[in-house]
Amino acid sequence: DAKTTQPPSMDCAEGRAANLPCNHSTISGNEYVYWYRQIHSQGPQYIIHGLKNNETNEMASLIITEDRKSSTLILPHATLRDTAVYYCIVRVGKGSSNTGKLIFGQGTTLQVKP
Amino acid sequence: EAQVTQNPRYLITVTGKKLTVTCSQNMNHEYMSWYRQDPGLGLRQIYYSMNVEVTDKGDVPEGYKVSRKEKRNFPLILESPSPNQTSLYFCASSIQRGVGEQFFGPGTRLTVL
Repeated sequence: DAKTTQPPSMDCAEGRAANLPCNHSTISGNEYVYWYRQIHSQGPQYIIHGLKNNETNEMASLIITEDRKSSTLILPHATLRDTAVYYCIVRVGKGSSNTGKLIFGQGTTLQVKP
Repeated sequence: EAQVTQNPRYLITVTGKKLTVTCSQNMNHEYMSWYRQDPGLGLRQIYYSMNVEVTDKGDVPEGYKVSRKEKRNFPLILESPSPNQTSLYFCASSIQRGVGEQFFGPGTRLTVL
């Protein structure tokens, strides 16, 4: 089962920032927070990941709370092409018990509107 | 361009006719994995491979086989497909198990009649 909780859907106006929340209250100290998105039925696309500190790359920013029980993915200037299902995933790093699989929950369907 | 490719992208077949879905990556990744995606069930891992000649079952391996004879290729084999294997299949790869991002292929939509 997914260890994360996300709202099922959100809307965002084109050009505005999209802030997607994720709750992961049972996260362990060695678990990372990953974000992926899936546009229509295409292969999931990696966005960003982090452990404790906030992270930023060319696609998005990831803000993780100090207690690590929740995080927010920020798309700074959403475009119509950002309309997708966004998945927040918690996973361990390297380790003998890790099959490497990603557990995709239901995600948040983000609709960017003109 | 770094990528994962799958073939075919679409396939309609009949029950019992053996088929293979190919997966290839050009990033020299050690780890590769197969998922299936079904409405309401999300993505579920079928098999994974941590390196050449090393494969293991995921959550839903029944009815599937895989092989990893070369680092770049990880074919998914359905020896005797059944209608409950109708699904959208994705291959993925990453540098190592549990490390960094996984790159996904474009998907193969399989229909078994």
